Amino acid sequence: SAVISQKPSRDICQRGTSLTIQCQVDSQVTMMFWYRQQPGQSLTLIATANQGSEATYESGFVIDKFPISRPNLTFSTLTVSNMSPEDSSIYLCSVDTVGTQYFGPGTRLLVL
Amino acid sequence: TQLLEQSPQFLSIQEGENLTVYCNSSSVFSSLQWYRQEPGEGPVLLVTVVTGGEVKKLKRLTFQFGDARKDSSLHITAAQPGDTGLYLCAGATDKLIFGTGTRLQVFP
Repeated sequence: SAVISQKPSRDICQRGTSLTIQCQVDSQVTMMFWYRQQPGQSLTLIATANQGSEATYESGFVIDKFPISRPNLTFSTLTVSNMSPEDSSIYLCSVDTVGTQYFGPGTRLLVL
Repeated sequence: TQLLEQSPQFLSIQEGENLTVYCNSSSVFSSLQWYRQEPGEGPVLLVTVVTGGEVKKLKRLTFQFGDARKDSSLHITAAQPGDTGLYLCAGATDKLIFGTGTRLQVFP
């Protein structure tokens, strides 16, 4: 299993600013995933972050808007840049351990 | 684009009732997973089904993978308030594709 923590748990931000979300895992993992869950909706994969290489972004998501860092095998950050109200969502990090995907508790972001 | 459609989208029932949630796609998946997400938390894996036609039981929950590995169902017997939450199916290819979600509310 894997225990994942995220910081902050929630935040309210002004449009035009940026927020960096941290994800910490209690074990070393090769791949970490960042998802977005808009209010009342399902999960959409933003990008996959491998340690030592650039993140791979899904269609509709770009590095300039969602830069990701993966400095080691237990930690990653996702930055939501130049925020607008449309970025209000829950942002979740996830890891895959032996075929099972575990999720963090999420970061609830409200952009005013 | 691979899509996983879940039905119903919302379900509100009384304690003790039975229910079935469906997860359908036109794509074939190597496996399919079901998650439950409660407010303020991330999704938690309930089960993974791998073989077409496979049926798995988890206490009052019964999961079935379609023969063609394109669809799945989740049946809950004698629902309890603790079953309340967002149920998500997810199909595995080279990544995990999540379904549209079913929000279940069980009233005492």
